[in-house]
Amino acid sequence: DAGVTQSPTHLIKTRGQQVTLRCSPISGHKSVSWYQQVLGQGPQFIFQYYEKEERGRGNFPDRFSARQFPNYSSELNVNALLLGDSALYLCASSSQGLNTEAFFGQGTRLTVV
Amino acid sequence: SQQGEEDPQALSIQEGENATMNCSYKTSINNLQWYRQNSGRGLVHLILIRSNEREKHSGRLRVTLDTSKKSSSLLITASRAADTASYFCATDRWGTGNQFYFGTGTSLTVIP
Repeated sequence: DAGVTQSPTHLIKTRGQQVTLRCSPISGHKSVSWYQQVLGQGPQFIFQYYEKEERGRGNFPDRFSARQFPNYSSELNVNALLLGDSALYLCASSSQGLNTEAFFGQGTRLTVV
Repeated sequence: SQQGEEDPQALSIQEGENATMNCSYKTSINNLQWYRQNSGRGLVHLILIRSNEREKHSGRLRVTLDTSKKSSSLLITASRAADTASYFCATDRWGTGNQFYFGTGTSLTVIP
């Protein structure tokens, strides 16, 4: 079985641009979460989606948005990019319910110049 | 601030020694999970311990959880150079379901 896949692996954007990151969860997993990891820090929770509905949102500005599709894949969109948005963006998938392992993809390294 | 805090921030040991790292958190949880990260790549899931469990083992890993102290520890026995990585604990807030909060991690270096 394929693990969590994210695309692209690396991305360079200019300040003010918009970016879309993609995530395909493990087959059978209906929950997808997004995290931002700035260099030297732990991942920070951005969004969780379950069954195509937003179930939680972290402390991020409205420039960040996400959605989940009927096949449970997900996109994270960031508008009006700032230099501070440069980070590793991680996607995690898990099966339904509490107390289930969450598995992460390899991440998308976003550099804003 | 982030939910969890790992201690120590950095740890350097000789191959074959045991490595212990600790995690403290602030609110009630459903479970706590430990992850490994190599050189800024993705997180590798190591072990999940539920709030009603006190200890769990997986291979060379031993995890304990003390909910009264809101703390957990990860013990890696007989360490190998390949264990060199950053280690994070992740807690999910009670009732939220898989919305994880991470600390700043422990950077482990195993010297061959």
